[in-house]
Amino acid sequence: DQQVKQNSPSLSVQEGRISILNCDYTNSMFDYFLWYKKYPAEGPTFLISISSIKDKNEDGRFTVFLNKSAKHLSLHIVPSQPGDSAVYFCAARGSTNEKLTFGTGTRLTIIP
Amino acid sequence: DVKVTQSSRYLVKRTGEKVFLECVQDMDHENMFWYRQDPGLGLRLIYFSYDVKMKEKGDIPEGYSVSREKKERFSLILESASTNQTSMYLCASSLGTSGSREQYFGPGTRLTVT
Repeated sequence: DQQVKQNSPSLSVQEGRISILNCDYTNSMFDYFLWYKKYPAEGPTFLISISSIKDKNEDGRFTVFLNKSAKHLSLHIVPSQPGDSAVYFCAARGSTNEKLTFGTGTRLTIIP
Repeated sequence: DVKVTQSSRYLVKRTGEKVFLECVQDMDHENMFWYRQDPGLGLRLIYFSYDVKMKEKGDIPEGYSVSREKKERFSLILESASTNQTSMYLCASSLGTSGSREQYFGPGTRLTVT
């Protein structure tokens, strides 16, 4: 049972344009949502998070939007840069749970 | 800066061997985790520990055990390696009291079992 789903295995975006990565979840007990970025042969690095009491969180070029009623979150990267090419994982956890549940990842390729 | 280190970047073992993967973090984090990453499956939690000598099973604990004798060190043990344990293994740690409790990952160990 995949509780966190990233339905797009890959995405290609022109440099300078907006990249939108999507994530859906099924568990209504999830309270925190995180995005990680992973380069080949490296561990994932934390990008940005959002708690369920907010619907938007922004950090520089990265913005995460949360739609609780639709159980959907998205990561927007504006403008996209070549260094953004990586695999992006969304993850979620409940407020009393230390465990993160990860999605299967989306490979983002930025085309120069 | 949080630093999570893993003992090996690449490891090749034979079927039936006992394998130890070591992870050390230097930020006094309470929680430590072991994941495996496989294509199309994302990161799956094997075991985690929220304190010294404490452990909890994750989603796929079969064939694995763990040890946490010191706060900074968390070991993953494959008692008898099998070919279906060929994978990328990732260790992570987190501070137990922060809001989003983001986890910090090590560089990973690519294990091949032949």
